[in-house]
Amino acid sequence: RKEVEQDPGPFNVPEGATVAFNCTYSNSASQSFFWYRQDCRKEPKLLMSVYSSGNEDGRFTAQLNRASQYISLLIRDSKLSDSATYLCAVRENTDKLIFGTGTRLQVFP
Amino acid sequence: GAGVSQSPRYKVAKRGQDVALRCDPISGHVSLFWYQQALGQGPEFLTYFQNEAQLDKSGLPSDRFFAERPEGSVSTLKIQRTQQEDSAVYLCASSSGQIYGYTFGSGTRLTVV
Repeated sequence: RKEVEQDPGPFNVPEGATVAFNCTYSNSASQSFFWYRQDCRKEPKLLMSVYSSGNEDGRFTAQLNRASQYISLLIRDSKLSDSATYLCAVRENTDKLIFGTGTRLQVFP
Repeated sequence: GAGVSQSPRYKVAKRGQDVALRCDPISGHVSLFWYQQALGQGPEFLTYFQNEAQLDKSGLPSDRFFAERPEGSVSTLKIQRTQQEDSAVYLCASSSGQIYGYTFGSGTRLTVV
């Protein structure tokens, strides 16, 4: 079993839709969690950290469920510009981040 | 600098050739990381430095891969006797601390022919 798993998608959604991605992790000692966005042929860019209490940034909401060992990302009112690959990343007890394979989102008009 | 800078942006190497990839992290960032990303996959960890100390090299796929950061700033990832399976994007990232995410450079796209 991979340390961090994501559904690769693609998720094809119309503009204005709400879409959610989950990411599961295997190490219960994991300490920090992040969502990154990666556009085609570009580097990953930090979208948001994920806090235990959940956090929101505009149309984006991140949640952490430690009991079930997953994090989620909810995107409301999807825009065409949200089309990208969304990578989850987990930090265990060292500084390195372990990334999932990414979930591809395609928003269509 | 303002961001993480990597060079070259693209590199085509003949099989068996040695290559060197450079990473210049954000000024003052103590931690520096190298990742390998194959097409359609997430970044895979290669190695990690804190200042000049290489704290974890567990992700280096073979002894043909070597990384250094001699003065605690610029880092070089060297691949000896390149093979076709080394073709990937090599990403460098730096971080100022454990609670923060990384900032990635634009990557070096290596193609071995």
